[in-house]
Amino acid sequence: TQLLEQSPQFLSIQEGENLTVYCNSSSVFSSLQWYRQEPGEGPVLLVTVVTGGEVKKLKRLTFQFGDARKDSSLHITAAQTGDTGLYLCAGAESNDYKLSFGAGTTVTVRA
Amino acid sequence: EAQVTQNPRYLITVTGKKLTVTCSQNMNHEYMSWYRQDPGLGLRQIYYSMNVEVTDKGDVPEGYKVSRKEKRNFPLILESPSPNQTSLYFCASSLLDNTGELFFGEGSRLTVL
Repeated sequence: TQLLEQSPQFLSIQEGENLTVYCNSSSVFSSLQWYRQEPGEGPVLLVTVVTGGEVKKLKRLTFQFGDARKDSSLHITAAQTGDTGLYLCAGAESNDYKLSFGAGTTVTVRA
Repeated sequence: EAQVTQNPRYLITVTGKKLTVTCSQNMNHEYMSWYRQDPGLGLRQIYYSMNVEVTDKGDVPEGYKVSRKEKRNFPLILESPSPNQTSLYFCASSLLDNTGELFFGEGSRLTVL
């Protein structure tokens, strides 16, 4: 059983559409990170959120950390083909440096 | 250029033939870790190290060994590989600070026949 559950597992949309990826857990995290992984490469950090209710924006990407610090979402506005990839959330539980990863959401943006 | 380097990138081997996957980072990071990535399971931690000569088991350590004799290197050793260790392996490193950003290598795809 994954500590972090991501949904959906797969997402295919047309360029220009919006999408949201969810990351849920019953555990409380001191911080939560989102990574993007492209084929043949390792994951690359997109953002770290640490405060319950926090919202961070990176251009067309909006990240939200739940008030209770148990869940997070990633919203992409006007998706582009370059957004295609595997999106992974990872959480660090309180007083623990260890990161636990979700299984990932594979996003495909069609031209 | 700051990076984590893994070798080999691709390897096909046979059951029982010992192998080592090397990992080196040039960022002076204290923390290093090995993960395996399998479809539908995400990244699962095998072993990690918070400093030289300090290593700890992750979630799936069975069948693996590691060592941390130098800060920059963290090799993953499969003493007697089995087919269920066929996977994509990632080494990662980070500073021990509040950001906890993990820097990943490009991955090593291992097939055990």
